[in-house]
Amino acid sequence: EAGVAQSPRYKIIEKRQSVAFWCNPISGHATLYWYQQILGQGPKLLIQFQNNGVVDDSQLPKDRFSAERLKGVDSTLKIQPAKLEDSAVYLCASSLDKPWVAGELFFGEGSRLTVL
Amino acid sequence: DAKTTQPTSMDCAEGRAANLPCNHSTISGNEYVYWYRQIHSQGPQYIIHGLKNNETNEMASLIITEDRKSSTLILPHATLRDTAVYYCIVRVLGSSNTGKLIFGQGTTLQVKP
Repeated sequence: EAGVAQSPRYKIIEKRQSVAFWCNPISGHATLYWYQQILGQGPKLLIQFQNNGVVDDSQLPKDRFSAERLKGVDSTLKIQPAKLEDSAVYLCASSLDKPWVAGELFFGEGSRLTVL
Repeated sequence: DAKTTQPTSMDCAEGRAANLPCNHSTISGNEYVYWYRQIHSQGPQYIIHGLKNNETNEMASLIITEDRKSSTLILPHATLRDTAVYYCIVRVLGSSNTGKLIFGQGTTLQVKP
């Protein structure tokens, strides 16, 4: 079974530039998550999708971050304009959640962003 | 979602059992206890989860106290490859099953030869 695919693995940009990350979840997984992990900290949930609808985006800095999941499959996370503090690993995860069933999250390897 | 408290770091000798504690004193009745681990430069990996009964799988055992206010993850025979950050998380499950998975700081387990 193919895992969660993310690209690019690494990206270096200057502040105020824009960047986009792509995620392809495991086939059939309805729920998709984007997490931000700053060095030395645990992953922080940015946004959660159920199919192509947003379930939770309370921690997403909406003035500069945006995310979409068209057709309920692939997702993109965009940052525009980037700030120095956005330097982090951006993790995508997916899960096959069914009502009352504890679905485990499968994570991709992450996209490491460095903002100079 | 309830908060969890874990020690910042622990050491364990290779081949011995690693016992990782977690405190979740404000857990509610519909919250499950999950454990994930993150090996350096990789995404987190699911280990095990439980509600109130003890659970065991091929990776680990999960012991939850009767009052559900704390739990312990047990790696029965730790190897060097078990060196990682271990996260204890509580998560609501329900009919819509959209409970968030909120990570804390985790416990850095160092397995030593």
